[in-house]
This record gives sequence, C-alpha cells and structure tokens, in this order.
Amino acid sequence: DGGITQSPKYLFRKEGQNVTLSCEQNLNHDAMYWYRQDPGQGLRLIYYSQIVNDFQKGDIAEGYSVSREKKESFPLTVTSAQKNPTAFYLCASSIDIGSGGYTFGSGTRLTVV
Amino acid sequence: ILNVEQSPQSLHVQEGDSTNFTCSFPSSNFYALHWYRWETAKSPEALFVMTLNGDEKKKGRISATLNTKEGYSYLYIKGSQPEDSATYLCAYNNAGKSTFGDGTTLTVKP
Repeated sequence: DGGITQSPKYLFRKEGQNVTLSCEQNLNHDAMYWYRQDPGQGLRLIYYSQIVNDFQKGDIAEGYSVSREKKESFPLTVTSAQKNPTAFYLCASSIDIGSGGYTFGSGTRLTVV
Repeated sequence: ILNVEQSPQSLHVQEGDSTNFTCSFPSSNFYALHWYRWETAKSPEALFVMTLNGDEKKKGRISATLNTKEGYSYLYIKGSQPEDSATYLCAYNNAGKSTFGDGTTLTVKP
C-alpha cells in the first residue's frame, strides 16, 4: 500500500544536539512538507519541497534544515539553534505543489531534555 | 503569514445533534480550501477539496460549503456520532503551500 512513513514515533534528545527526523513516501508525489504543532496551536510550515533537489523555507524555518536528494525522502534536521525544539512534527506529501490535498505521516514527537 | 481562523475552538455535542463550524481565510488570491479530519493517534485525513465559489461537497453525513468572495467555509455534520469526535482542520492553499487553521475539536457524547 502507498503511504508516508515517519520515524521514529517518539524521540528524546539532549539539549544542544542535532537530531534528524525521517520522512519517506512511496506515493510518487513531487511535493513534500514539514509542519510543526505545539500544544493548543495549529500546524505551522517549516520547510517544503516542490521537487527533488529543491526546497523552500516556510513560516518558521529558523533552526531547521532539510534535504531532498531523492523523491521519496525529505528528512528534517532540528539543529541546536532551534530554541524550542520540543514539539510534534508532521510530514506530508502531495502530487504537486499546487494540488494541496495532502497525505500525512503519523508524526514524530520530539522531546528535548 | 496568512491568517486562517477556525471557530469555535472546541465543541461538545450529544449523539444525534447536528453541528457546524467555520473557517475564515483571505478572500484575495484564492486557490483552494481543504478540510481535514484528525482523529487522536491517527494521521490527518483529507475530507474535501473546494475550489469554486459556491462549492458544496458532501460525504455521508458531513458536508461543506465555500464562499470565496467573503472568505469563509462551513463544515456541517448531521446527526453527530461518537466516531465523529476529532479535530477538524481547514487549510487555505495559496501559491502552492497550505496555511492551516488551529482546528475545531469536536467531542460527541453518547
């Protein structure tokens, strides 16, 4: 079955360490996205990618980095520069950048201690 | 950052009640409006994609309307059931990326 997989589901890291969240899709979608959710708030866009080897900053990109070397994969690195990294992170994909209509992963809950 | 607002923030209804909630968004440069349902411990699931002013979409007991001129969309649930309990998100799609509202969390009591 086609879908989008995020791993791990829960992640704990010490303050000051970089951590990479995985997102893989086998839907043959061109566009991929990373969102962050904090308690009581909606989804905020971190980075998005329209196509392989291209990505754009979203509304809250500071302290994060991404790569898009393969169509299937869009990993997110939370760097030590991110001041409040503890959050729930959702990855999504869509057929292309204009179609909206996202397929979501199940999310990764990151806790930095 | 675009302003997409949903109201109410939360809603508690009895099984069998009908309910509705609102998503408001910028009326200029409209491209599409999406509704998603997000159940606890699951991934958000797409409900409707709405693109034209006056659009009405229906899936079972759930329906949605769209007014792009005044910048709002309504989601209606007829005869709510406990399995309808979830957070309902709307997303305004403009220039290729979606801006989400904070969601309306619906709890249906048996």
